[in-house]
Amino acid sequence: GNSVTQMEGPVTLSEEAFLTINCTYTATGYPSLFWYVQYPGEGLQLLLKATKADDKGSNKGFEATYRKETTSFHLEKGSVQVSDSAVYFCALSGKGGSYIPTFGRGTSLIVHP
Amino acid sequence: EAGVTQFPSHSVIEKGQTVTLRCDPISGHDNLYWYRRVMGKEIKFLLHFVKESKQDESGMPNNRFLAERTGGTYSTLKVQPAELEDSGVYFCASSVDRGNTEAFFGQGTRLTVV
Repeated sequence: GNSVTQMEGPVTLSEEAFLTINCTYTATGYPSLFWYVQYPGEGLQLLLKATKADDKGSNKGFEATYRKETTSFHLEKGSVQVSDSAVYFCALSGKGGSYIPTFGRGTSLIVHP
Repeated sequence: EAGVTQFPSHSVIEKGQTVTLRCDPISGHDNLYWYRRVMGKEIKFLLHFVKESKQDESGMPNNRFLAERTGGTYSTLKVQPAELEDSGVYFCASSVDRGNTEAFFGQGTRLTVV
């Protein structure tokens, strides 16, 4: 079945540091890939998405590239801010396999001033 | 356009009691999903409605959980009787299409069973 594996957290960084959160997936067919974010006290929000291989999703300075050859969708940001502190979830859904969105276990990011 | 709304935002109940969570999806979204996240773990799928029909309930943990979606509009998730391990955040999501489209999430209901 479909599955998503994320790097363990928490990830602790200083402001303006470079961020990478690794995500790899297993799926049949050609899923779409998503990053969701949950800020403290809020619900899940879609951060970015990519629907086919080599697509790059981007939003709020975050980027992730759909790498079919490595089945990865790593999240990156060049310079994090304190306000980026949140839990980040990698997810996939697609018609090739299960159409039900499948999530990783989330990676907590803590950014210090 | 209103988003997915969930009620209540928080609930604290005693073991053995009953709790009902409600989800109002985005108008026109036929697909409705329930998920649960236990502290520090992945967001796990519980079940999926297409309109009023249960399309997939393979993630429901046991028969203490009952989900309904009256008339294909809002959905309720009842836990009866609640156990300590039911504590977590229950998310509802809705989408237009079943695959390759974004699922919009509610803010979640934090359930604490004491």
